[in-house]
Amino acid sequence: DQQVKQNSPSLSVQEGRISILNCDYTNSMFDYFLWYKKYPAEGPTFLISISSIKDKNEDGRFTVFLNKSAKHLSLHIVPSQPGDSAVYFCAASASKAAGNKLTFGGGTRVLVKP
Amino acid sequence: NAGVMQNPRHLVRRRGQEARLRCSPMKGHSHVYWYRQLPEEGLKFMVYLQKENIIDESGMPKERFSAEFPKEGPSILRIQQVVRGDSAAYFCASSPNFGTSGIMDTQYFGPGTRLTVL
Repeated sequence: DQQVKQNSPSLSVQEGRISILNCDYTNSMFDYFLWYKKYPAEGPTFLISISSIKDKNEDGRFTVFLNKSAKHLSLHIVPSQPGDSAVYFCAASASKAAGNKLTFGGGTRVLVKP
Repeated sequence: NAGVMQNPRHLVRRRGQEARLRCSPMKGHSHVYWYRQLPEEGLKFMVYLQKENIIDESGMPKERFSAEFPKEGPSILRIQQVVRGDSAAYFCASSPNFGTSGIMDTQYFGPGTRLTVL
């Protein structure tokens, strides 16, 4: 049972344009969501997070949108840069559950073309 | 990757041997998490520890796998009698608190240990 899904395994975008990554979840207990970026042979790097009490959080070129009724979140990167080429993981956790474990999606591989 | 240290970075074992993976959390972090990533998949939670305590081991196989986070020293993930299916990247993450302020704490990941079982 995949509680967090990233249905697009890959995305190709031109430099300077917007990258939109999508993530869906099924567990209504999830109330904290994060996006991580991962380069090959490295660990995930934290990008941005959002609590379920908000519907938008922005940090520089990165904006995360949360639609609780649809159990959907998205990450917007604008403008996209070649250095953004990586695998992006969506993750979720439930504050009322024991522990703070993260449930990850399968990842979306982003390629930004110069 | 925010100062979480893992070693070794690469580990090769033959079937039946033991693998020991070490993780030193960021300074000031008292919560450690282990995740496993199989090829072409996302990360899967294994175990959550605080100093001298296992808080949640629901993602860790019941046999052959164990984890500890002693009062002194790094956290250790131990895999006994490794099999080929254990080949994966193992990531450790740490956080300062577990949402005690009502705000979830971000987990910061180490570079991972890539285990290959021959």
